[in-house]
Amino acid sequence: GQNIDQPTEMTATEGAIVQINCTYQTSGFNGLFWYQQHAGEAPTFLSYNVLDGLEEKGRFSSFLSRSKGYSYLLLKELQMKDSASYLCAVADSNYQLIWGAGTKLIIKP
Amino acid sequence: ETGVTQTPRHLVMGMTNKKSLKCEQHLGHNAMYWYKQSAKKPLELMFVYNFKEQTENNSVPSRFSPECPNSSHLFLHLHTLQPEDSALYLCASSQGGLLSSYNEQFFGPGTRLTVL
Repeated sequence: GQNIDQPTEMTATEGAIVQINCTYQTSGFNGLFWYQQHAGEAPTFLSYNVLDGLEEKGRFSSFLSRSKGYSYLLLKELQMKDSASYLCAVADSNYQLIWGAGTKLIIKP
Repeated sequence: ETGVTQTPRHLVMGMTNKKSLKCEQHLGHNAMYWYKQSAKKPLELMFVYNFKEQTENNSVPSRFSPECPNSSHLFLHLHTLQPEDSALYLCASSQGGLLSSYNEQFFGPGTRLTVL
């Protein structure tokens, strides 16, 4: 079967760095997405990786290793507004997105 | 604002009611999706429409009936639902078309459905 694993919840301190991991087992691979979802709001796109390596976009970076079936989202200089759920999703061989359950990130002052 | 709107935002209905959820996208996309989001569970893909044609129906009970009259509008008709159908129902759209290697989806804010 297809499976996406990510931690259920993480806590970090304002101004610090946090890494959210995602491991996947899917039938085919056509890219990995990270989305951010604030409570009661729509998920919004953060990043897309299809090749191995690190993609940096401001305070957020996303890493992919296809051979290990592994990705992480790195958030730097954490702000209170970064408190949200972070969803990992993989596009399978049919380009359909397989979703993880999300990681709830709690930022403390 | 993501360019995808959903109405109503909240809905409470009894098991014998009939209601409809509406989604509209203003992005010129050709694919639209219905997802179910339950607490602490992955997003469940329910239906996919590509150029108004239904391309996916992931074993969804017949009490959920989708309708896509054009590429900008998507409906989810609900009837004789069960309490376990209570969840957040999200609509999304993407560029669509033939198989694409990059298919970023834009989500609406969702409808919070409670079935009594």
